[in-house]
Amino acid sequence: GQNIDQPTEMTATEGAIVQINCTYQTSGFNGLFWYQQHAGEAPTFLSYNVLDGLEEKGRFSSFLSRSKGYSYLLLKELQMKDSASYLCAVPMFSGGYNKLIFGAGTRLAVHP
Amino acid sequence: DSGVTQTPKHLITATGQRVTLRCSPRSGDLSVYWYQQSLDQGLQFLIQYYNGEERAKGNILERFSAQQFPDLHSELNLSSLELGDSALYFCASSPDPGLAGGYNEQFFGPGTRLTVL
Repeated sequence: GQNIDQPTEMTATEGAIVQINCTYQTSGFNGLFWYQQHAGEAPTFLSYNVLDGLEEKGRFSSFLSRSKGYSYLLLKELQMKDSASYLCAVPMFSGGYNKLIFGAGTRLAVHP
Repeated sequence: DSGVTQTPKHLITATGQRVTLRCSPRSGDLSVYWYQQSLDQGLQFLIQYYNGEERAKGNILERFSAQQFPDLHSELNLSSLELGDSALYFCASSPDPGLAGGYNEQFFGPGTRLTVL
């Protein structure tokens, strides 16, 4: 089965760097997604990692270690608008198709 | 704007009632997914359709059902509603059903907020 763990809440200061960790256990691996979700809004895609290493996209970077079942999302130069939940998700193979299984999310609060 | 539309935006109803939530996927997307998100909870996968056929099922209650029509829009039917069904219901679409080994980024609609009183 799938098991995804993320910290429930984190706080950080505007302008700082924060790392949000995600550990997963899965039978088979088809990549890992990070989504951002502001309160009451739809999740929006941030990144997809399928190979080990760091992928950088502007202020956001995502890292994956398949051997350790571990990923993190790195947010630099934090802005107030980055206050949101960050969801880690892995596809689960079922019946020939992948469906996304989401972690409970990490609620990030950015303070001035 | 993801291109996925959901109606209605808000729905308030009473226990025991039945409601229908509607979703139109992005143009060209054949796969539709439904999720439930209760207050302070993660996204719970309910069900997936691809080109009119059910492809995967998650923790969907027997009181809930869904279908995808020939024009690819989808409806989620919730019946015998209980207080605990109050949640945000999201629909998402993707270009393909996420074949094994594939990349299936999902695009989410704005959600329907259901309140059961």
